[in-house]
Amino acid sequence: EIVMTQFPATLSVSPGERATLSCRASQSVTSISVGIAWYQQKPGQAPRLLIHGASTTATDIPARFRGSGAGTEFTLTISNLQSEDSAVYYCQYYNNWPPEITFGQGTRLEI
Amino acid sequence: QVQLVQSGSELKKPGASVKVSCKASGYNFTYYAMNWVRQAPGQGLEWMGWINTNTGNPTYTQGFTGRFVFSLDTSVNTAYLQIRSLKAEDTAVYYCARRGSGDSYTDYWGQGTLVTVSS
Repeated sequence: EIVMTQFPATLSVSPGERATLSCRASQSVTSISVGIAWYQQKPGQAPRLLIHGASTTATDIPARFRGSGAGTEFTLTISNLQSEDSAVYYCQYYNNWPPEITFGQGTRLEI
Repeated sequence: QVQLVQSGSELKKPGASVKVSCKASGYNFTYYAMNWVRQAPGQGLEWMGWINTNTGNPTYTQGFTGRFVFSLDTSVNTAYLQIRSLKAEDTAVYYCARRGSGDSYTDYWGQGTLVTVSS
């Protein structure tokens, strides 16, 4: 079973700056049938898909959100931070077959 | 537009059962699998499993076998999560989340249903 580790647990950044959130997989994510997604969750709300396929931005997500990485190391970079970006961010490992999903424990971003 | 609308909050006593609904609209319900995700108070996201909306076949992850049941009513485009013999540790927000187009990430989520188990 794959384990996803996110760091840091909490990140405080000033408005207008850039935040870098990291996610490490316990085994390499290289098969065509697996991938990494990122979600944003604000208090009292459901998670919102930001990135899938490690670097593909989801529909209606601003270009300020960028996913990158390969192998076991993945990154979500948020540029020009705004107050509304304060949230918990989760990375997710997914396997297409058999279907499998594993979430990281989350990074709390404070602006 | 794709929408997943879940039923409202529930307060149940230990030992009771609860059934959470997730009504889908804006897409062909049987084309996309449905996942269920649990979030305990102040905790992270935990994948419970999924149901094939074409065949009705459910798959449960470890820790969600026995008392948890996924089901469908395709005539009303609705997925259900039933939890039997509720325990205090079942207190959580439960989300339905649609499988993405082509891959197994979760692209659309319901708003969540808070289930509180307390005597």
